[in-house]
Amino acid sequence: KNEVEQSPQNLTAQEGEFITINCSYSVGISALHWLQQHPGGGIVSLFMLSSGKKKHGRLIATINIQEKHSSLHITASHPRDSAVYICAVSKDTGNQFYFGTGTSLTVIP
Amino acid sequence: EAGVVQSPRYKIIEKKQPVAFWCNPISGHNTLYWYRQNLGQGPELLIRYENEEAVDDSQLPKDRFSAERLKGVDSTLKIQPAELGDSAVYLCASSLESSGRAGNEQFFGPGTRLTVL
Repeated sequence: KNEVEQSPQNLTAQEGEFITINCSYSVGISALHWLQQHPGGGIVSLFMLSSGKKKHGRLIATINIQEKHSSLHITASHPRDSAVYICAVSKDTGNQFYFGTGTSLTVIP
Repeated sequence: EAGVVQSPRYKIIEKKQPVAFWCNPISGHNTLYWYRQNLGQGPELLIRYENEEAVDDSQLPKDRFSAERLKGVDSTLKIQPAELGDSAVYLCASSLESSGRAGNEQFFGPGTRLTVL
């Protein structure tokens, strides 16, 4: 069983739609990270959060520590949002990171 | 500020050949990670350095993979000999963290896409 599970694995949306990607984890964490990876590109950190909610532009990330669940929301989606979104957690003991398998998002004009 | 630099960006080799990847982390970052990412999967940790010490190499296939970070800055990852199954993207990341402090943000390089024929 993976320590980090993401859903959905693939997501296709029309431009302008509100998008939600979910992440569940099974280990104790000190922080959860949302990462973005464009095809052929490196990985960019979007958010690092340990409680509550963070917002950056059209992106919102929330985390519920008790339920061990996080969501990444994209409002007014745009084709340039097409990428793989990866959820990762850093364990509360030591410096281990666990990565989800990613959600491949395609936004159609 | 320059990000994590990796080279080469792409490498195509025949099986049984050796290959090496290079990583220059962000200045001042004492922790360096090498990951392997297969298509459609998340990154998998190969090795983590704190300064020049490899503190976690439990997932590194030591029969053919080796890594070094001699001066605690740049790092190289080597595969010898390469196998078909080694085709993947090899990512380097760095973070400003010290032992015992968890949860620090990692900054990723662009990766090296390796194709073994």
